[in-house]
Amino acid sequence: GAVVSQHPSRVICKSGTSVKIECRSLDFQATTMFWYRQFPKKSLMLMATSNEGSKATYEQGVEKDKFLINHASLTLSTLTVTSAHPEDSSFYICSASRGAGYPETQYFGPGTRLLVL
Amino acid sequence: DQQVKQNSPSLSVQEGRISILNCDYTNSMFDYFLWYKKYPAEGPTFLISISSIKDKNEDGRFTVFLNKSAKHLSLHIVPSQPGDSAVYFCAATSKGAQKLVFGQGTRLTINP
Repeated sequence: GAVVSQHPSRVICKSGTSVKIECRSLDFQATTMFWYRQFPKKSLMLMATSNEGSKATYEQGVEKDKFLINHASLTLSTLTVTSAHPEDSSFYICSASRGAGYPETQYFGPGTRLLVL
Repeated sequence: DQQVKQNSPSLSVQEGRISILNCDYTNSMFDYFLWYKKYPAEGPTFLISISSIKDKNEDGRFTVFLNKSAKHLSLHIVPSQPGDSAVYFCAATSKGAQKLVFGQGTRLTINP
């Protein structure tokens, strides 16, 4: 199966700082990448859809200025949590799509646990 | 507004028996459904899917059943093995779309 990596796997930061999370598709080119957030014992909530070379599409209720997404290449998307606060603490998962129209071809990264103190 | 619901947060099954995980959805626009398996510290991995034109799809020990009138789907695992212990998510989408809507997950524990 295709491999998607995330870095870092875990990060602890102080309130007010910004944190960048990287998502890479290691063995395929992904025209579309997705960013999800998971609260404890809750479902994965889609935050935004990012297409290479264009602006990300954010889901309702997700602050685009708070969660900056950059999809600079076909193998890399980054999520920057700006001016992080304790309520931003969560598990962030990215996925990369290998083919349009086939949900099965969406491969997930291992996730990044963010803790904001 | 939880459009996809997994009402059982956990399930414990004896090894060799059948595991049945349930999922309900509310959005009638959904016409494609998937099950994912997730181990700790790993991302979800695709397990099996079903289109709304079918009511059953089978892949080895895994079978997914879809009841469109009840807006309900279930995943059957038989026989259950210790390696099946994980969190299982159901997800729904519309044909041609890539956006997935996930349930809350069910933690399955297979006891030896």
